[in-house]
Amino acid sequence: DVKVTQSSRYLVKRTGEKVFLECVQDMDHENMFWYRQDPGLGLRLIYFSYDVKMKEKGDIPEGYSVSREKKERFSLILESASTNQTSMYLCASSWTPDTQYFGPGTRLTVL
Amino acid sequence: DQQVKQNSPSLSVQEGRISILNCDYTNSMFDYFLWYKKYPAEGPTFLISISSIKDKNEDGRFTVFLNKSAKHLSLHIVPSQPGDSAVYFCAASRASGTYKYIFGTGTRLKVLA
Repeated sequence: DVKVTQSSRYLVKRTGEKVFLECVQDMDHENMFWYRQDPGLGLRLIYFSYDVKMKEKGDIPEGYSVSREKKERFSLILESASTNQTSMYLCASSWTPDTQYFGPGTRLTVL
Repeated sequence: DQQVKQNSPSLSVQEGRISILNCDYTNSMFDYFLWYKKYPAEGPTFLISISSIKDKNEDGRFTVFLNKSAKHLSLHIVPSQPGDSAVYFCAASRASGTYKYIFGTGTRLKVLA
């Protein structure tokens, strides 16, 4: 069974903190993605990776960075968290363009 | 510029009736279209997809129709059940190169018992 896991379901951080969100998939997928979901805005792509150490910016990369040192793991980093980064963060992986599997999401609150 | 649009933020349907969720797109180069269902505080769940070379794909109670000339797709759920109440997202992708998915803003479906 397909599995994408995220390190935390809920996270509360303070403004200026460095935040790490981790995502692991067990399907040997080459492609992994980070999105944020906000009311009325749908899912917006932050970054994606199509191979180990390879990454591309999505639609809203500002204030974020990513790391993919191993195929199964894709990390999203908020270098200095701000209140406008309070959101639901969703990780996904895929192997073909007609399916994509999501993790359960991390609800991040930045105070 | 929003390439994938879901113009109805919400929809209410009586249990047992048909739910029709709509999605429009602007980029004729998309190769695949996907539908996801999302419950609160959970990740989206993949429902069904359709290739741009087809005009219909069916999986149980879910059918997706694609009208390429109108750049429009729709998801039909028949019969609708209370457990179908969720937010539905459509997404589009291209098969070439390093593909990514473009999502619509979602439609909240409420199925009334």
